[in-house]
Amino acid sequence: SAVISQKPSRDICQRGTSLTIQCQVDSQVTMMFWYRQQPGQSLTLIATANQGSEATYESGFVIDKFPISRPNLTFSTLTVSNMSPEDSSIYLCSVVSFGQFFGPGTRLTVL
Amino acid sequence: KNEVEQSPQNLTAQEGEFITINCSYSVGISALHWLQQHPGGGIVSLFMLSSGKKKHGRLIATINIQEKHSSLHITASHPRDSAVYICAVGGNNRLAFGKGNQVVVIP
Repeated sequence: SAVISQKPSRDICQRGTSLTIQCQVDSQVTMMFWYRQQPGQSLTLIATANQGSEATYESGFVIDKFPISRPNLTFSTLTVSNMSPEDSSIYLCSVVSFGQFFGPGTRLTVL
Repeated sequence: KNEVEQSPQNLTAQEGEFITINCSYSVGISALHWLQQHPGGGIVSLFMLSSGKKKHGRLIATINIQEKHSSLHITASHPRDSAVYICAVGGNNRLAFGKGNQVVVIP
């Protein structure tokens, strides 16, 4: 199994600002995933983060809005840039390690 | 039509009751996941299964590959079982998620 921690657990931000979410895993993993869950909706994959290469973004998500870093095999960050109220969501980090594991999530509210 | 449909959307049960929630999917899969999401937002993986049945404590998950259907059963339900249960299907690197079953267990 893999234990994942995320920081911050929640935040309230002003429109136009940016927030960086950190994801730390207790073991080395090749692929890390970032998901968004908008209110009342199912999880949507934002991007896949591979160590040593650019993240792969899903349709509808772009690097300028959601830049991702993956400096090593246990850590990744997702930045939500130039935020608007529509970005209010839960953001989750996930890894695959003999199963799929999810972090506790970051609940973001944009005013 | 969504790739993953869950029913019922909302379910309220009395403590001690037997609960069944369902997941139907329309795509080919290598595995199906049942996840539990508590109000804080964090998600816990309950089961990953590709055939048959798995049991963990009071939870039982079954899958019928031919019918593309899975059920999650909760025996002797307890208020701490109150959560959203999410079904996800696919391969390890690409999952399709249902919207979840909101379960409330009343003391």
